[in-house]
Amino acid sequence: NAGVTQTPKFQVLKTGQSMTLQCAQDMNHEYMSWYRQDPGMGLRLIHYSVGAGITDQGEVPNGYNVSRSTTEDFPLRLLSAAPSQTSVYFCASTTSGTKTQYFGPGTRLLVL
Amino acid sequence: KQEVTQIPAALSVPEGENLVLNCSFTDSAIYNLQWFRQDPGKGLTSLLLIQSSQREQTSGRLNASLDKSSGRSTLYIAASQPGDSATYLCAVGLKAAGNKLTFGGGTRVLVKP
Repeated sequence: NAGVTQTPKFQVLKTGQSMTLQCAQDMNHEYMSWYRQDPGMGLRLIHYSVGAGITDQGEVPNGYNVSRSTTEDFPLRLLSAAPSQTSVYFCASTTSGTKTQYFGPGTRLLVL
Repeated sequence: KQEVTQIPAALSVPEGENLVLNCSFTDSAIYNLQWFRQDPGKGLTSLLLIQSSQREQTSGRLNASLDKSSGRSTLYIAASQPGDSATYLCAVGLKAAGNKLTFGGGTRVLVKP
């Protein structure tokens, strides 16, 4: 098992550009989530999904879109990047059973 | 709104000393509580998960307790080693689909040889 994988590991964007952060898991987990981690703010939930075709907003959803067409993949789209979106982004997955969350290695995003 | 606090923000101990890390939360209606370890530049690794009906969980040198009524959890690490140096995060899971987590700010631990 590869667990939770994220690509890219690091990305630099200019203000106004768009991009997609990829997340995949091979554990057949129903639940997947996106968090951002900022100094002094901890990790905050952006969007989450309880299964293919079902997504919902977390605490800080503005400026981000998600979709879940398969159980394995949960991409996060930045529509028009802003410097305030400079952060480290983590994808996580879990099951309805154990609820133990498994995190990916993160994507570091710098928006200039 | 659930708020999770971890104090202190940083801790330095000599090797061999026991570590005590604290986590407090404002709303006792939680589903579970999870402790994570994060090494610099890395993702989060789950250490222990305590269901709301449990009082503690143990794994090797790690023991985590949960007191829902007082809104507190404590992570004990026995006989600390330099390899225990990392940031430790606690997160409260909500009783809702997807087990959304609310995180504390973390405690950065340094174990000196």
